[in-house]
Amino acid sequence: GENVEQHPSTLSVQEGDSAVIKCTYSDSASNYFPWYKQELGKRPQLIIDIRSNVGEKKDQRIAVTLNKTAKHFSLHITETQPEDSAVYFCAAQPNDKLIFGTGTRLQVFP
Amino acid sequence: GAVVSQHPSRVICKSGTSVKIECRSLDFQATTMFWYRQFPKQSLMLMATSNEGSKATYEQGVEKDKFLINHASLTLSTLTVTSAHPEDSSFYICSALPGSSSNQPQHFGDGTRLSIL
Repeated sequence: GENVEQHPSTLSVQEGDSAVIKCTYSDSASNYFPWYKQELGKRPQLIIDIRSNVGEKKDQRIAVTLNKTAKHFSLHITETQPEDSAVYFCAAQPNDKLIFGTGTRLQVFP
Repeated sequence: GAVVSQHPSRVICKSGTSVKIECRSLDFQATTMFWYRQFPKQSLMLMATSNEGSKATYEQGVEKDKFLINHASLTLSTLTVTSAHPEDSSFYICSALPGSSSNQPQHFGDGTRLSIL
């Protein structure tokens, strides 16, 4: 089955700096890759997603890149703000099942 | 946007109690719903896929007799934790897929924090 690895597990940055989170997946059948932000005790919130026919997608300060050959995908957050602090999960979706990465705890210091 | 309602949000009960959690899609029909469990500081782990009108598909290591899933309509799936014990304490979250779409976002409920004393 699908296996998603995510790095780093924790990431601390200064406000205004960029943050990059990387994921790898194992199942070449995966064709949908969402990223979620989860605050403590709350539901995961979709922040951006990418499909396998696209290599890059951007939405304001957030961008995602996908390398299908290498089975890598990454989340880039620019101009980080304290409110970006949360746990971020990548996921891969083969046949409708969402398989989550292990999560990255991002802390943005003012 | 698509809304998924999950109830209750918090349950505290004694060991041996069975607990039912409801997951409803409020403004769309969901042929498929999913149930996840999340332990503190860990990721969301898929427990089972709930299919309307048929038996749920459980992930490896998840006891189907312990976690009963019923998906009797296109807008409601329920998860019953039978004879719950302290090790079942966790955050349970459901999600739903609109219609028969694939490669589309799943819509998550707010989760249920289950605490077994």
